[in-house]
Amino acid sequence: EAGVAQSPRYKIIEKRQSVAFWCNPISGHATLYWYQQILGQGPKLLIQFQNNGVVDDSQLPKDRFSAERLKGVDSTLKIQPAKLEDSAVYLCASSFGASPYTDTQYFGPGTRLTVL
Amino acid sequence: GESVGLHLPTLSVQEGDNSIINCAYSNSASDYFIWYKQESGKGPQFIIDIRSNMDKRQGQRVTVLLNKTVKHLSLQIAATQPGDSAVYFCAERSVKGFQKLVFGTGTRLLVSP
Repeated sequence: EAGVAQSPRYKIIEKRQSVAFWCNPISGHATLYWYQQILGQGPKLLIQFQNNGVVDDSQLPKDRFSAERLKGVDSTLKIQPAKLEDSAVYLCASSFGASPYTDTQYFGPGTRLTVL
Repeated sequence: GESVGLHLPTLSVQEGDNSIINCAYSNSASDYFIWYKQESGKGPQFIIDIRSNMDKRQGQRVTVLLNKTVKHLSLQIAATQPGDSAVYFCAERSVKGFQKLVFGTGTRLLVSP
């Protein structure tokens, strides 16, 4: 079974530029998550989708971050404009459903963003 | 590959030793806990989970202990191998609300041959 795919793996931009990340979840997984992992910290949930609907975006900085999952499969996360503090690894994860006990989250390799 | 974290607490052990990684959680409403392993340049990988109605669960070479009284859980790795070298995160989740997974601060495990 193919895992969660993410691209690009690395991205370097200057502050105030925009950037987009792409995620393809495991086939059949209805729930998709975007996490931000700052160096030295655990991942922090930014947004959770159930199919193409948003379940939780309470920690997404909506003034600069946006995410979509239009057809309930692939997802993109965008930052515009980027700030220095956005430098982090952006992880995408997916699970079959959103049950707290049975739906393990599977993570992709992440995209490392460096903002100069 | 990229380092997950440069200033994480570090546990150094010899190959063959048993390792114990500790985690304190914050939310008394959390009733489900997971340990993840993250190797350099990779996303977190599920290791083992435990529900709050249990105090111990065993897997292959790993055991998780949960002490709800002091809000503490630990991950025990038996006969640690060089391939176990990674950053380990505990995560807590509440079945209420949005069931968000909240990760703790990781611990780097270094295994010497």
